Amino acid sequence: EAQVTQNPRYLITVTGKKLTVTCSQNMNHEYMSWYRQDPGLGLRQIYYSMNVEVTDKGDVPEGYKVSRKEKRNFPLILESPSPNQTSLYFCASSYGWQETQYFGPGTRLLVL
Amino acid sequence: ELKVEQNPLFLSMQEGKNYTIYCNYSTTSDRLYWYRQDPGKSLESLFVLLSNGAVKQEGRLMASLDTKARLSTLHITAAVHDLSATYFCAARDDKIIFGKGTRLHILP
Repeated sequence: EAQVTQNPRYLITVTGKKLTVTCSQNMNHEYMSWYRQDPGLGLRQIYYSMNVEVTDKGDVPEGYKVSRKEKRNFPLILESPSPNQTSLYFCASSYGWQETQYFGPGTRLLVL
Repeated sequence: ELKVEQNPLFLSMQEGKNYTIYCNYSTTSDRLYWYRQDPGKSLESLFVLLSNGAVKQEGRLMASLDTKARLSTLHITAAVHDLSATYFCAARDDKIIFGKGTRLHILP
């Protein structure tokens, strides 16, 4: 089944404790992206990747890192999480950067 | 800087009625996307509109694009309860920008 998977789905952590949210797609998509969704603000793009080893900042990249060492994986790293990073995070992928995106199930993060 | 505005942000309507959601964007965008999100779920692609005058239809939903007016519409015909969801439009320059979403509640 073609899909985008994210892990974990739910995470509670404390300020400053590094964490990684994994994202994997099995559709051989070139483009991958991370978003955060907050009430009243819609979806905002954090980082995106056009292909392996090619990443770029989205609208709200501060406090996040990403890497794209393999085509299928695009992990999101929070080196020192803070409470303002409490949010719902979505990973998405598409064949090309202009194509419609397929979204993962979401990761709900709470930073205390 | 590209900005995307949807209106209305909340819409409650009766089954059987027609309504339109509007999506305005501030600068040139080479395509316009519509997504649906059910409560507690992920986003699902509905339409991609590629050019001026493009119209796409799926069931009771029809999306159109006017690039000169920088406006896309999502029209709902004879609404049914199953269409209750939040609908997002998104436009793109070098980044993809989403609108804040329209929460649609259809009353039986």
